[in-house]
Amino acid sequence: TQLLEQSPQFLSIQEGENLTVYCNSSSVFSSLQWYRQEPGEGPVLLVTVVTGGEVKKLKRLTFQFGDARKDSSLHITAAQPGDTGLYLCAGALRGGSNYKLTFGKGTLLTVNP
Amino acid sequence: DTAVSQTPKYLVTQMGNDKSIKCEQNLGHDTMYWYKQDSKKFLKIMFSYNNKELIINETVPNRFSPKSPDKAHLNLHINSLELGDSAVYFCASSQRRQGSVYNEQFFGPGTRLTVL
Repeated sequence: TQLLEQSPQFLSIQEGENLTVYCNSSSVFSSLQWYRQEPGEGPVLLVTVVTGGEVKKLKRLTFQFGDARKDSSLHITAAQPGDTGLYLCAGALRGGSNYKLTFGKGTLLTVNP
Repeated sequence: DTAVSQTPKYLVTQMGNDKSIKCEQNLGHDTMYWYKQDSKKFLKIMFSYNNKELIINETVPNRFSPKSPDKAHLNLHINSLELGDSAVYFCASSQRRQGSVYNEQFFGPGTRLTVL
């Protein structure tokens, strides 16, 4: 059973379109992170959210943590080819170790020019 | 400046061999990790060390043995390699902050291991 379910698994869109990626769980997390991974490289942290209902913005990227801290979303406005990559959500379970991150299976985003 | 580095980048070997992957971080972090990413891009933690002490040891075959000679280095030795060990192995590091839930992890570029 996958602790963190990401959807969609694959997403191919045209430059300029908007998109949302979801990360859902039945478990509560003390924190949740989003990473982006490009081919041949390691994941790079985009954001950490820790408070239920929290919204963080990073230029054209908006991250939201669910009120119950069980889910999160990543919204990209006016996607660009440079946004192409594998987006991974990762969480530290409430009551567990903050060092142990559980990752979702990722959303592979392709933005076509 | 390289923050987290791994060697080698690629490793191709025969079944049954023993191999090691090395990791070094120059960020001054006190915690280091090994992750395995399978062919479907699923990233799973294997081990973690904090100040050279093992703090996370997931269900990993005992053919895998991590070693942390100091805070800046975490190596992974694999005995009797099997076909199923083929994957990309990532090293990562982070700095523990007392009372904080933040755990920003910095990943290395990965080592692609292929077992033939």
